Amino acid sequence: DTGVSQDPRHKITKRGQNVTFRCDPISEHNRLYWYRQTLGQGPEFLTYFQNEAQLEKSRLLSNRFSAERPKGSFSTLEIQRTEQGDSAMYLCASSTPGLAGGEETQYFGPGTRLLVL
Amino acid sequence: AQTVTQSQPEMSVQEAETVTLSCTYDTSESNYYLFWYKQPPSRQMILVIRQEAYKQQNATENRFSVNFQKAAKSFSLKISDSQLGDTAMYFCALNTGANSKLTFGKGITLSVRP
Repeated sequence: DTGVSQDPRHKITKRGQNVTFRCDPISEHNRLYWYRQTLGQGPEFLTYFQNEAQLEKSRLLSNRFSAERPKGSFSTLEIQRTEQGDSAMYLCASSTPGLAGGEETQYFGPGTRLLVL
Repeated sequence: AQTVTQSQPEMSVQEAETVTLSCTYDTSESNYYLFWYKQPPSRQMILVIRQEAYKQQNATENRFSVNFQKAAKSFSLKISDSQLGDTAMYFCALNTGANSKLTFGKGITLSVRP
């Protein structure tokens, strides 16, 4: 078990370009989450998958953002027409559901730090 | 909606001393889970300790313990015998089960001085 991995770890792009990030969860975890963390703030929830189904999207996730988890394993987060305000750390986490809602521990990846110039 | 508040932005403690990090939260749910996560500089976030709201007993994990006051909606983290490796940002988080998403506080930067 190598933990949650994310690629790339760093991305610098120019405003208006599209970027795509990848997350590989812990292999037996069927839940996958994306969060965004800006400097000096705690992570904010973006979206959540159970297997391949995207079950929840935050209103933070504008129509320029899209996430997929096509086979219920890895996930991608794409940002189209990036803006300077998209600069942040994008964190992925995975878990298995607990017996009670909210019980499970989410395991985080190292994050992808995005800088939009 | 739920909120988590960490009002202390920074704290400093001498190595081997004890420090307490504060957190308050708000939710209308009757059952929920509270977490403290640690994010070392340039390293990934890891779970420190968790507490189930329906359990009255405070959780303990080695040098880490919590003081959970449900009526006051307070969830503080006590670190005993502080070590240099405890230097990190610490985030308090709440999960009510709705979508299983975590709601985080802004975090507190803890520095352990040698």
